[in-house]
Amino acid sequence: EPEVTQTPSHQVTQMGQEVILRCVPISNHLYFYWYRQILGQKVEFLVSFYNNEISEKSEIFDDQFSVERPDGSNFTLKIRSTKLEDSAMYFCASRGQARDTGELFFGEGSRLTVL
Amino acid sequence: GESVGLHLPTLSVQEGDNSIINCAYSNSASDYFIWYKQESGKGPQFIIDIRSNMDKRQGQRVTVLLNKTVKHLSLQIAATQPGDSAVYFCAEGMRFGAGTRLTVKP
Repeated sequence: EPEVTQTPSHQVTQMGQEVILRCVPISNHLYFYWYRQILGQKVEFLVSFYNNEISEKSEIFDDQFSVERPDGSNFTLKIRSTKLEDSAMYFCASRGQARDTGELFFGEGSRLTVL
Repeated sequence: GESVGLHLPTLSVQEGDNSIINCAYSNSASDYFIWYKQESGKGPQFIIDIRSNMDKRQGQRVTVLLNKTVKHLSLQIAATQPGDSAVYFCAEGMRFGAGTRLTVKP
């Protein structure tokens, strides 16, 4: 069964450092998403991406965040200068159908710990 | 602002009983809703969705009901099993609500 894969599973970094989280969406999907989940809290939408550009972003997704699809398979989330409050689980998701409807497939997440 | 939220943070049921998880939304223009299940240490998993032109949709052991008049959404799980223990989120489009933790007692 096709799945979304994410690396690393856990990353520990110092405050102020840059972090790149990587995702390989399901191969024939066209719409890609990043979410985050602070421990014990709800899943928060960060950004959606289609046709090599951001289609929607939340208020959380400020200038410290960026996304990129550097090749035909990877989808990355970069945090330029991490803050303590960036500590969370980051989930990548992909969807094959229309941007806002249809099943969203999530990866297992990348846990980011900022010290 | 617009939001999607849950009535109860926790729900405990006996194995074999039916479970009902509720969700309220505030945006009357919302036209697509999804229920997700998240097991401990895993990513959310799609369960079932419903469009606003429907009142009810059924899947395998699950039913979603949509009441647009009161902007309420519910997920019903029939014959709840221990494997159903998880956090359940309703989502309006891409945005998630706060989640309900379902615990199934043997």
